[in-house]
Amino acid sequence: GEDVEQSLFLSVREGDSSVINCTYTDSSSTYLYWYKQEPGAGLQLLTYIFSNMDMKQDQRLTVLLNKKDKHLSLRIADTQTGDSAIYFCAERNQGGKLIFGQGTELSVKP
Amino acid sequence: NAGVTQTPKFRILKIGQSMTLQCTQDMNHNYMYWYRQDPGMGLKLIYYSVGAGITDKGEVPNGYNVSRSTTEDFPLRLELAAPSQTSVYFCASSYTGGNQPQHFGDGTRLSIL
Repeated sequence: GEDVEQSLFLSVREGDSSVINCTYTDSSSTYLYWYKQEPGAGLQLLTYIFSNMDMKQDQRLTVLLNKKDKHLSLRIADTQTGDSAIYFCAERNQGGKLIFGQGTELSVKP
Repeated sequence: NAGVTQTPKFRILKIGQSMTLQCTQDMNHNYMYWYRQDPGMGLKLIYYSVGAGITDKGEVPNGYNVSRSTTEDFPLRLELAAPSQTSVYFCASSYTGGNQPQHFGDGTRLSIL
C-alpha cells in the first residue's frame, strides 16, 4: 500500500542548516509536498515539487527528490527559532489523495 | 479573507453523544476535505468532496458522516461518539485537485470521555 515515512525528531542550532528526510512507496506519485505546522495551528504549505523534477529552490528552502530511491528531503538554510515546528511530507497519489507522513518535529536551539 | 474556518476549536463529548464539526471556506474552492490527526501520526483522510452535492469516503470514514449542500460549507458529523474518535480534526480546501495546494483550517480538538 501507500506509505510515507519520516523520522520523528530533529534538533539543530540556530544558524545551522536543517535537513528533513522522507521516504515514500508509491512510485506513481505526481506531486510531493512539504507542509509546516506550528503549535495550535493548521498545516501551511511550504513548497511542492512535481515528480519529474529533482530539485526545487525557494529562498531558504531546497527540496531534493530522488525518484529512484523514492526519497524526498527538505533543507532549510540558516535555520531560525521561528522555524521550530512540525514538518509533514505528503505525496499526491494517482487518485488525487494526499498521503501524509507522521511529521518531523524540528527544534531549533539558540 | 478568512480562508478556512473551523468551529469549535475545542470540545469535550461524552461517549454516545453526537456533534457536528463546522467548516466553511470563502475562497470559492470546489474541493473540501476532512482529516484527523492522532498523536505522532500523519493526517488521515476521513471524507472529501469535489463539489456541492458530491461527497466520497476517504481512508477512515467509519463513525462519521458529511454533507455538502453549498460550496462554502462542509460539516462533519459524529453520530455516536467513541473514545477512538478523540483526535484533532482538520478541514482543508483546494480549488481543484491536481497540484493545487490544500488550505487548512486551524483544527478542532475533540476529546471523548
